[in-house]
Amino acid sequence: GAGVSQSPSNKVTEKGKDVELRCDPISGHTALYWYRQSLGQGLEFLIYFQGNSAPDKSGLPSDRFSAERTGGSVSTLTIQRTQQEDSAVYLCASSANGGDTQYFGPGTRLTVL
Amino acid sequence: RKEVEQDPGPFNVPEGATVAFNCTYSNSASQSFFWYRQDCRKEPKLLMSVYSSGNEDGRFTAQLNRASQYISLLIRDSKLSDSATYLCVVIRINDKIIFGKGTRLHILP
Repeated sequence: GAGVSQSPSNKVTEKGKDVELRCDPISGHTALYWYRQSLGQGLEFLIYFQGNSAPDKSGLPSDRFSAERTGGSVSTLTIQRTQQEDSAVYLCASSANGGDTQYFGPGTRLTVL
Repeated sequence: RKEVEQDPGPFNVPEGATVAFNCTYSNSASQSFFWYRQDCRKEPKLLMSVYSSGNEDGRFTAQLNRASQYISLLIRDSKLSDSATYLCVVIRINDKIIFGKGTRLHILP
């Protein structure tokens, strides 16, 4: 079946602009995660959605970052007033339930000029 | 102390050799453990879960040592295609998921 998809695959933006990154999880998966990975670095947890529970936002680096998950499916990560240090690959993953195996999307490579 | 720690490597290992690396975790409430593999500029993919009794999948063996709070991954008869970064993943009781920064493995021809 279809895996996790993300769009766009690449995004180049100017400093100060807002960007929206989209994640389509595997159908039926209740848990959805956002991570970012800077060049040569490990995965940095950003936010976690589980069913109808309040999301775990503990990893969001600043209030410029926000995410929503509509209808328990598609999620959008929004970065406002982008900064050069926001440049990274943003990865989305989903799992059948929280704590289960995570399946990753291909990521969105964000470059802030 | 970081929640999950891995030796970043790189481990440079000749083809056919056996290689092992560990991942230590600091929170004893950690519940589930996984090894993921990440190829250069690709997304992480699940390699194997780690069970309390240890588990094997072909050339790969994963073990958990709860007393010393570490998991290990052993690769036997290494292949060139095993070159990748291996990420340790620890999940706590409240579903908090922590990724290690990964261990880079280079298999040399």
